[in-house]
Amino acid sequence: EVQLVESGGGLVQPGRSLRLSCAASGFNFDDFAMHWVRQVPGKGLEWVSGISWSVETTGYAVSVQGRFTVSRDNAKKSLYLQMDSLRTEDTAVYFCARAQPDIVLLPTTIHFDYLGQGTLVTVSS
Amino acid sequence: QSVLTQPPSVSGAPGQRVTISCAGSDSNIGAGFRVHWYQLVPGAAPKLIIFDNTNRPSGVPDRMSGSKSGTSASLAITGLQAEDEADYYCQSYDSSLSDPVVFGTGTKVTVL
Repeated sequence: EVQLVESGGGLVQPGRSLRLSCAASGFNFDDFAMHWVRQVPGKGLEWVSGISWSVETTGYAVSVQGRFTVSRDNAKKSLYLQMDSLRTEDTAVYFCARAQPDIVLLPTTIHFDYLGQGTLVTVSS
Repeated sequence: QSVLTQPPSVSGAPGQRVTISCAGSDSNIGAGFRVHWYQLVPGAAPKLIIFDNTNRPSGVPDRMSGSKSGTSASLAITGLQAEDEADYYCQSYDSSLSDPVVFGTGTKVTVL
């Protein structure tokens, strides 16, 4: 059974940092690109970032470019999101997501066949 | 802000049929890019229920079906059940945006 379990969320002040983790199980982690998707409370879903299976390619939403860094450790079957210079508008539930198909990082047919339950990040003073 | 527009809410009695529309444009759905649908239940992991316009992942009941025409797509739920009460989002790809992965505005389905 495919499982994705996020951790690391919490309350943080604006301008500070936070690191999210996602532990994967039930599939060959290094066969898939992995992504982060977030949902602002009461609002819709937004793609945040992604990383190819080989770690060679990463992508970021314009809203987080230069502040967030995605990484992965295939040996540990883990995905990470380092979030720096956090802003109040980054407050959201962050979901870890497995991407299909795994041809390139952002294929035109991209969709997410498994997502985790999410971890809440609250940026507030 | 989202380029895919959905009705905020739809409702129906148990056993009825409801449909959720997802209106896009010539740079996403109208360009031929595929549409995917997700079900979000509070406290649970989001679930993919339709991919590539019309396909159901294993385990998704055939009461749920997807369609696409022109610049729009739709999700239909027949034989509505209490467990279908959730938020539903469409998702596609947009060739005109810096962030090409786009989601719809979301629709709350209420079972009366």
